[in-house]
Amino acid sequence: AQSVTQLDSQVPVFEEAPVELRCNYSSSVSVYLFWYVQYPNQGLQLLLKYLSGSTLVKGINGFEAEFNKSQTSFHLRKPSVHISDTAEYFCAVSASNSIQGAQKLVFGQGTRLTINP
Amino acid sequence: GAVVSQHPSWVICKSGTSVKIECRSLDFQATTMFWYRQFPKQSLMLMATSNEGSKATYEQGVEKDKFLINHASLTLSTLTVTSAHPEDSSFYICSAGAIAGVVSYEQYFGPGTRLTVT
Repeated sequence: AQSVTQLDSQVPVFEEAPVELRCNYSSSVSVYLFWYVQYPNQGLQLLLKYLSGSTLVKGINGFEAEFNKSQTSFHLRKPSVHISDTAEYFCAVSASNSIQGAQKLVFGQGTRLTINP
Repeated sequence: GAVVSQHPSWVICKSGTSVKIECRSLDFQATTMFWYRQFPKQSLMLMATSNEGSKATYEQGVEKDKFLINHASLTLSTLTVTSAHPEDSSFYICSAGAIAGVVSYEQYFGPGTRLTVT
């Protein structure tokens, strides 16, 4: 089984400052890793994913994340945030040995990112 | 591409009644869909995995007789909350996890349905 821990429930940041949202996972098998963003009363939108290959993954809206296998982490970063980045961010993991397309996602608790002017 | 819709987006029902939520894949065929429940300020909790043409697989602790899931076609899955009670009030989100003929490892989420039981 997999588990995900997002170390910060809330992160307040000033506009144009850098931000890092932390995510650690636990799994006995290899995993795929995802970051999703959720705006109020909406579903989830994929920011980026790590399946294999380069450990630095670039996503939409200027976000990137780095997979660190030894530290079982997948932290999300953005060098300069905007007011529009205010949202809930979820880290998720799935087992890579599951049937393609049918693997369950296990979500972290979420991090509320608030951008202040 | 890979758009998932849900209907209704918001529903209020009286305690004891049943309500059906539809999840549709608009521009692709989904062989597997997932149903999640999200309480305010909390994460998503997987309720069940729905495969087209077969019975849904429910997660531990989810009452299959209360939350009826039907995946009758490759573009439609439905969740029916039977005999709803106020504690069933929540945000329900579906996702499509397998697209027929496409190699994909991510899930595509619908916009969610807010259920309020009075």
